[in-house]
Amino acid sequence: GENVEQHPSTLSVQEGDSAVIKCTYSDSASNYFPWYKQELGKGPQLIIDIRSNVGEKKDQRIAVTLNKTAKHFSLHITETQPEDSAVYFCAASNQAGTALIFGKGTTLSVSS
Amino acid sequence: GAGVSQTPSNKVTEKGKYVELRCDPISGHTALYWYRQSLGQGPEFLIYFQGTGAADDSGLPNDRFFAVRPEGSVSTLKIQRTERGDSAVYLCASSLGRADTGELFFGEGSRLTVL
Repeated sequence: GENVEQHPSTLSVQEGDSAVIKCTYSDSASNYFPWYKQELGKGPQLIIDIRSNVGEKKDQRIAVTLNKTAKHFSLHITETQPEDSAVYFCAASNQAGTALIFGKGTTLSVSS
Repeated sequence: GAGVSQTPSNKVTEKGKYVELRCDPISGHTALYWYRQSLGQGPEFLIYFQGTGAADDSGLPNDRFFAVRPEGSVSTLKIQRTERGDSAVYLCASSLGRADTGELFFGEGSRLTVL
């Protein structure tokens, strides 16, 4: 089945810097790649997603890129702010489209 | 509120006991998912309901775990003969369709501790 690897596991940046989180997936049939943000004590919340027929997508300070050939996708956050501090998860849909398979998460800390 | 509601928020039980966790999805969402999240890990898929039926239960770890959604709305995750390794946060999510079609809306989870 699908396997999603995510790195780094922790990332510390200064306010205003950029942050990049990278993921790889194993199943070439995956066609949907969302990113979720989880704050302490809360459930994960979708921040951006990309489909396999698109190479890049941007929403204000957040962008996601997808390389289908290499089975890589990445999250880019520019001009980071302290409120961006949270755990970020990448995910990929399984072959049947019935589940999202999540990475292990990246704890992002933005210091002011 | 209009979000996904999970009860209880915390449950402490003893090894060997039976536990039920409840999920109330967003009204109108036909798809419902259960995930398990251990400390420092990403959510692990357990089961997906489309309406009343379990469309994919491939993530259930063994036959001690069972879930129902009899009327296509509220779902209950049932764990028999609990073990210490079952301790985790159990997350429920709902959506308008299959997982690869759009956003999953997660509840805040039920934290299960098995002593």
